[in-house]
Amino acid sequence: EPEVTQTPSHQVTQMGQEVILRCVPISNHLYFYWYRQILGQKVEFLVSFYNNEISEKSEIFDDQFSVERPDGSNFTLKIRSTKLEDSAMYFCASSHPGQGSEQYFGPGTRLTVT
Amino acid sequence: RKEVEQDPGPFNVPEGATVAFNCTYSNSASQSFFWYRQDCRKEPKLLMSVYSSGNEDGRFTAQLNRASQYISLLIRDSKLSDSATYLCVVNSRRSNSGYALNFGKGTSLLVTP
Repeated sequence: EPEVTQTPSHQVTQMGQEVILRCVPISNHLYFYWYRQILGQKVEFLVSFYNNEISEKSEIFDDQFSVERPDGSNFTLKIRSTKLEDSAMYFCASSHPGQGSEQYFGPGTRLTVT
Repeated sequence: RKEVEQDPGPFNVPEGATVAFNCTYSNSASQSFFWYRQDCRKEPKLLMSVYSSGNEDGRFTAQLNRASQYISLLIRDSKLSDSATYLCVVNSRRSNSGYALNFGKGTSLLVTP
């Protein structure tokens, strides 16, 4: 069964450093997403990406965040200058096009900012 | 008002019991509805989509009431493996061409022997 994969599973970084989180979406999906979940809180939408551009982003997704699809398989989330409050699980998801399409999530990257 | 609201629980039920979870959503323009389950420190996993006519998948039955903006999930004959957090999820069209899932905080279920 196809699945979304993410690397690394855990990333520890110092405040102010840049991190790149990587995802390989399901191969025939065209929509890609990043979500985050701070410990004990709900899953929150960050950004959606389609046709090589951002199609939607939330208020959380400010200038310190960027996304990229550098090749035909990877989808990345970059956090330019990490803050303590960026510590969270970051989930990548992918789906077929369409509002009713089900999104499938990767196992997540746990980001710890110290 | 929160976009998606759920009773956080926890619901503690014995094996074999029937348990029901409820959820309300605030955006009347929401188009798609789902239940996901999440195990501790794991990713959300799609349990089922929810359709207006109601739908069933084995021991799981989901219902949607658009007029009341209410979604439910019924689990029959609970198994120990059903212990997890159940997330009510609503897909809402945002300002541009994209869609985003809005998650409830989840309802915790513990099934005991």
